[in-house]
Amino acid sequence: GAVVSQHPSWVICKSGTSVKIECRSLDFQATTMFWYRQFPKQSLMLMATSNEGSKATYEQGVEKDKFLINHASLTLSTLTVTSAHPEDSSFYICSARDPPDTSNQPQHFGDGTRLSIL
Amino acid sequence: SQKIEQNSEALNIQEGKTATLTCNYTNYSPAYLQWYRQDPGRGPVFLLLIRENEKEKRKERLKVTFDTTLKQSLFHITASQPADSATYLCALPDTGRRALTFGSGTRLQVQP
Repeated sequence: GAVVSQHPSWVICKSGTSVKIECRSLDFQATTMFWYRQFPKQSLMLMATSNEGSKATYEQGVEKDKFLINHASLTLSTLTVTSAHPEDSSFYICSARDPPDTSNQPQHFGDGTRLSIL
Repeated sequence: SQKIEQNSEALNIQEGKTATLTCNYTNYSPAYLQWYRQDPGRGPVFLLLIRENEKEKRKERLKVTFDTTLKQSLFHITASQPADSATYLCALPDTGRRALTFGSGTRLQVQP
């Protein structure tokens, strides 16, 4: 079945550091990928929709200059948290659909990236 | 605004019993609803999708119902096992978009 791989699974770094998270679709092409954030004991909140070959669409309240998204190929989307601060510490999860343009199909999720900013 | 509610309190049941989890929504007319399982520190895993014209869907020990009048879905696990212990999330399609909106999830604990 479709698999989404996310890397790294865990990052601990100092405040002010920029962190890049990769999301890959392993056996299918994903023209669209979704980035979610999940705080402890809360639900997944959509941050942005990553579109291959075009700009990402950000949700209200998500700073696009803070969370840079690049979707340069059909199998890879990256999320860069720039100048991260402790309040950015969270669990970041990406997902994609296979096939990509069918809205009533399930999403396949990566295993998430635990980001801890000291 | 669209809202999805799941019981935030953990559900504790004995092994072998049926677990029933509830998902209520408001300000939605979804074409379908999905249920996911999430283990600690992992991404959600898809379980079942039910469409608006389907009242019930089954998969092995899982059963989902969808009542569009009540705006409610029930998720049942029969003959529950300790391995079923996890958080279960319901999700609905965002209006006019391709992403999903998730409920806050209900944690299920099956005692041996």
